This record gives sequence, C-alpha cells and structure tokens, in this order.
Amino acid sequence: SQKIEQNSEALNIQEGKTATLTCNYTNYSPAYLQWYRQDPGRGPVFLLLIRENEKEKRKERLKVTFDTTLKQSLFHITASQPADSATYLCAYLHGSSNTGKLIFGQGTTLQVKP
Amino acid sequence: DAGVIQSPRHEVTEMGQEVTLRCKPISGHDYLFWYRQTMMRGLELLIYFNNNVPIDDSGMPEDRFSAKMPNASFSTLKIQPSEPRDSAVYFCASTSPRLGGEQFFGPGTRLTVL
Repeated sequence: SQKIEQNSEALNIQEGKTATLTCNYTNYSPAYLQWYRQDPGRGPVFLLLIRENEKEKRKERLKVTFDTTLKQSLFHITASQPADSATYLCAYLHGSSNTGKLIFGQGTTLQVKP
Repeated sequence: DAGVIQSPRHEVTEMGQEVTLRCKPISGHDYLFWYRQTMMRGLELLIYFNNNVPIDDSGMPEDRFSAKMPNASFSTLKIQPSEPRDSAVYFCASTSPRLGGEQFFGPGTRLTVL
C-alpha cells in the first residue's frame, strides 16, 4: 500500500542550528509533495510545495528537496529559532493534478531550545 | 478573509448519539476536504468535494459517517450513531486549483465520544 513516513521521534536542536526533517514515501511516485506546520490545538498551515521536476525549493529560512530516485524529501530550517518549534507534516498529492487527495505522514515534532 | 470556519470547536457526546460537524470554506474555493486526526493514525482524508460534488469518499470509515455539501459555502459531516473510537479532531480544509495546491485548514472540531 502507499505509505509516507516521517521520523516519529522528536527532533531537539539548539537555537541557530539547522534542523533537517526527513520524509520517505513508498509504492507511489507523486508529482507534488507538500510540507505543513502544525501547532498544538490548531490546523496545519501550508509552508511549501515542490514538484517532481524540481530538485529544490526555498522560502526565506526554509528549504525543501525532492529526490525521486531515493523517494525522499528533506525539509531544512536554517538559523532555527524557538518559534520554529512545532510539528511538521509532509504530504503528497495523489494524482497528477495540483489539487486533490493529500496523503499525510505522521509528522515530526521539532523542539528548538534557546 | 475569515479563513475556514468550523463549528463546534469542541463536542462531547455519549455513545449512540448523532453528531454533526459543520464547515464554511473560504469564499471562492471550489474544493472542500474533511480530515480526521488521531495520535494512532495521524491525519487522514475522509472525503472531498469539488463544486459541491463528492469526488472521493474512500476514507469514510463506514456507513455511520456521511457528508454533504448542499451549497458552495457549507458542508456537514455527520456521525450516527457515534462510538468512542470516533473520538478525534476533525478538520475541514478548502482550496482552489488557482492556488497551486495549498490547502487551507480550519481550526478543527475536537470530538469526544464517551
């Protein structure tokens, strides 16, 4: 069955360091992959989308890579801050359209310590 | 814009009772999604609509769950009869293809079935 996996263990890093989160998928080749941030008690908030023909996408301190050979996406936060502490979810779109069914990973909780 | 609106924010009910969750998508969005989030299963898509028509309901757990979208600005998710295992946070999200795939989530409804 189609699966998307994220490291279930929390990631603890020191302020100012780069946080790297991993997302692996199996039994599917998505055309689009997305990353969301979720704070406790709130709905997920969209951060970035990357297409299969894009190796890398950046937005301010965020960077996402998409390796279709390894079936993996990496999400980086550079110069991390305590305000970056949250759960980060990756998801891929099922189908060839940029709109439709999203399959989410379980999420990785990031804790940035001052 | 007020964003996606969900009501109620919290619902506590007893097993066997009918529960109705409500969602108002962002104006102009023609896709609406219902998700369920639990610690065990993460964030799962239950059903989604395009132009008020259900497109994919393969995530609906069983016949006790039903969803409707009578018009572009309102959708309901009904559980009848409710069971303790239905306890979860239910999110509604909306989007439009012109937005490039980003889904906008509501604040969620936390459902507890005793």
